[in-house]
Amino acid sequence: GAGVSQSPRYKVAKRGQDVALRCDPISGHVSLFWYQQALGQGPEFLTYFQNEAQLDKSGLPSDRFFAERPEGSVSTLKIQRTQQEDSAVYLCASRAYSRGWNTEAFFGQGTRLTVV
Amino acid sequence: QQQVKQSPQSLIVQKGGISIINCAYENTAFDYFPWYQQFPGKGPALLIAIRPDVSEKKEGRFTISFNKSAKQFSLHIMDSQPGDSATYFCAASGGSQGNLIFGKGTKLSVKP
Repeated sequence: GAGVSQSPRYKVAKRGQDVALRCDPISGHVSLFWYQQALGQGPEFLTYFQNEAQLDKSGLPSDRFFAERPEGSVSTLKIQRTQQEDSAVYLCASRAYSRGWNTEAFFGQGTRLTVV
Repeated sequence: QQQVKQSPQSLIVQKGGISIINCAYENTAFDYFPWYQQFPGKGPALLIAIRPDVSEKKEGRFTISFNKSAKQFSLHIMDSQPGDSATYFCAASGGSQGNLIFGKGTKLSVKP
């Protein structure tokens, strides 16, 4: 596809369930980011991949959060034992790597996770 | 610690008016300052961006003004239209990784 695709668009999970959120970045984009956007707030950085390497996971809120990008393309964000505070929109963004000035990061539409 | 502070939280402007949103940052290592537009149910989309060696950048009705010494930058939307009604986020990043630090957003409503 032409843009960043995320699935599912909506996910309702019972507290304690595990969830997996998928991101298909723009083809050929080296950099991939995950962000968490709480209601009425700006996106907050979770983790960063360059190809298959997870270079920064400093934003992951707890060890219940895990992300992978095994082949340097599709990425999955997994949340174990979901809690109500995990309810948010999870955004994926990809960027064509450049050694110069930062290039544009393209965002997907997000997955809205509601934990009940 | 909030590294990018954005104001106002909400803004109502008449059609044809000028919308102004302000941001301030703390980290002098930031070297990229984009503005994103987000409609309900959609992901953020890049509107316009600037780097700190330029004081102003204009693209159509959208202008970024940048004040490096004050560590502030602003978005001006000229001739605001109802279709501009959305939430606007300023952001900043630095270094080769370039993860974005976002402000809390401004909900703009343009009245016809």
